[in-house]
Amino acid sequence: GAVVSQHPSRVICKSGTSVKIECRSLDFQATTMFWYRQFPKQSLMLMATSNEGSKATYEQGVEKDKFLINHASLTLSTLTVTSAHPEDSSFYICSARRSSGGETQYFGPGTRLLVL
Amino acid sequence: GNSVTQMEGPVTLSEEAFLTINCTYTATGYPSLFWYVQYPGEGLQLLLKATKADDKGSNKGFEATYRKETTSFHLEKGSVQVSDSAVYFCALSSGSARQLTFGSGTQLTVLP
Repeated sequence: GAVVSQHPSRVICKSGTSVKIECRSLDFQATTMFWYRQFPKQSLMLMATSNEGSKATYEQGVEKDKFLINHASLTLSTLTVTSAHPEDSSFYICSARRSSGGETQYFGPGTRLLVL
Repeated sequence: GNSVTQMEGPVTLSEEAFLTINCTYTATGYPSLFWYVQYPGEGLQLLLKATKADDKGSNKGFEATYRKETTSFHLEKGSVQVSDSAVYFCALSSGSARQLTFGSGTQLTVLP
C-alpha cells in the first residue's frame, strides 16, 4: 500500500502561538505533497502544493507567510501555522504522490487544530 | 476554472438498497476522475478512478463510468452494506500539476 501519516492528530494551542504539522510518506518517496483544509461538513480546499527542494505553490487567498510549508526530504513535508488565531481552527489534511509516477494522491488521516 | 458538483446529502438507505450519488464536472483539458471515501475518524481513501472517456472504475462493488458527453461520473452500488456508511467525495485532476478539485461530499448512512 501507500501509507501517509500525520502528526499530531489533534492539537490545541493558544492564540498567537505557532503550530507545526508533519506529513510523512511511510513506504514511498513523494516529490510532491499537497496540503488541504477541511471545514466541518464541507469539502477539502487545496491550500498549497509542496515540492521537495523548492518553494511551495500557494493557492489564491492562502497567506504564505502564515502557512509556512517546508518539504526538505522525499518523505516529509511540514505545515507551520504561524501566530494562530481561532479562525485558523480547522482540519488540515495532507496528501502525497509517488515520485515513481502516477497521479493518485494518498491522503493522511488529518490533523485537528483548535486555537483558543 | 475546474469545478465538481455532487448531489447533496445526507443520503440514508436501508441495507441492500441501490445507491447512486451523482457527480458532474467542469474542466479544461482531459481530467481524470476519482471517487474518494472518508470513513468516520479516518483520512480519505481512493475508492476508484477513471482516466479517460468511457472508462469504468470499480472497487468493492462500487462503479462509476467517465461520461464525457454528459460530463458526469456518477457513483453506483447495487447493494449497500452498513459498512459503506461514510462520506463520499467526487474529484477531478487536471493541469500540469494534476491538482485535485473536490466536490462538496455526500454523507451516506446505511441502516440495518
